[in-house]
This record gives sequence, C-alpha cells and structure tokens, in this order.
Amino acid sequence: GQQLNQSPQSMFIQEGEDVSMNCTSSSIFNTWLWYKQDPGEGPVLLIALYKAGELTSNGRLTAQFGITRKDSFLNISASIPSDVGIYFCAGQKIGSGNTGKLIFGQGTTLQVKP
Amino acid sequence: NAGVTQTPKFQVLKTGQSMTLQCAQDMNHNSMYWYRQDPGMGLRLIYYSASEGTTDKGEVPDGYNVSRLKKQNFLLGLESAAPSQTSVYFCASSYSTGPQRETQYFGPGTRLLVL
Repeated sequence: GQQLNQSPQSMFIQEGEDVSMNCTSSSIFNTWLWYKQDPGEGPVLLIALYKAGELTSNGRLTAQFGITRKDSFLNISASIPSDVGIYFCAGQKIGSGNTGKLIFGQGTTLQVKP
Repeated sequence: NAGVTQTPKFQVLKTGQSMTLQCAQDMNHNSMYWYRQDPGMGLRLIYYSASEGTTDKGEVPDGYNVSRLKKQNFLLGLESAAPSQTSVYFCASSYSTGPQRETQYFGPGTRLLVL
C-alpha cells in the first residue's frame, strides 16, 4: 500500500534549538497535514497545507507543501520543553473513492532537554 | 462539546475473547474512522464510515468488524482477539464526505492488550 517515509525517526535536542523534519511519498497528495501527539493522547492537528508550494506558519511552527506534491517539511523554531511529543505527517488524496482517507508517516519522536 | 470520546481507555483480553470498542462524537460529523497505532508504524486505517449506515475497509481490516447505526457512534468489534491485535486504537471524525479537504479530530485512544 501507499507509504509515507518520515524522517528523522527521533530527535534529542537542546531547548532553544530549531528542529526540522520531513515526509516523502511515492504518490502525489492534494493535502498535507501535520499532527502532534502528546503522551497518552490522540493526535492534534498543527498545520494543514492545501496547495503545492504553500508555506504556512502556526506560531513557532512552519510547514511547507513541496512543489512536487510528494513531500512536506515541518520546522519548529526555538524549541521549548512542551514541544516534546511525536510528530506525524499525513497525506490526503482527494478524489472519488478516497473519502478523505489519511496516510500517516511513521512519526518523529522529539525530546527537548531543558 | 466533548469532541471525540472513546471507551474503554484500557482493556486486557485473553486470546479468543471478543469485545467492542466504542467511539462517540458530538460535532455532527459525517465521517468517522478507526485507526490502530503500533510502534514505528504510525497510524493505520482499519475501517471508516463516510455516513451513517455505511462502512468501508481501510488498510488493515482483517480480524475486525464495525458498525455505524447512529451518526454519532462508530463501534469497532474484535470477534476473536489475537495477540497481534495488541495496540492503541484511535477513533477520529471529520465533517464532510467526498472530495473535500477536512480535518480529522481524534479521540484519546483505547489501549488494548491481548494475552
């Protein structure tokens, strides 16, 4: 089936550092979503991207929809301890028969050292 | 609004036992989804429902069944639990069906251990 390759798998950084993670796919997606999952919780949407080349920010988070529509990037600036969690990318194909189904990456586990 | 709620939060089963995981949403969403989350695998779609009374298989449907008799509820059944079904199960919902972009809202998860 379709797969999203998300990297890196894990990161251990110092508070204040910037973070970058990305997702790539062999298929074209019409929408890219980035979610964050806190321990013991369900994923929460951070940023949604709808057009190739789109760059969207949400506070210290910035995400981009790749021009090829096969990749997306998430950057976190000036990390803080509450950024700890698992970040997932998800691609969504829009069209008949797909009904909004999401394909998820494997996740990037972020740990921040105070 | 409570959003998406799931019961139970934790469950331990013996191999061969059956159970139903319950999901409810109070956002009047049309679509509902069941995912399982395993280490290093991300979230994988088990079943989804585009509207009340309709269900379709996702990526990993074997060993599960679902029921969407009411718009606000989506039930996931395990007929004969197997250790391979040990996982964290997430329910999600979204407003629109069809070719529209929609945000999926997730519940807190059900942690299932099959011995």
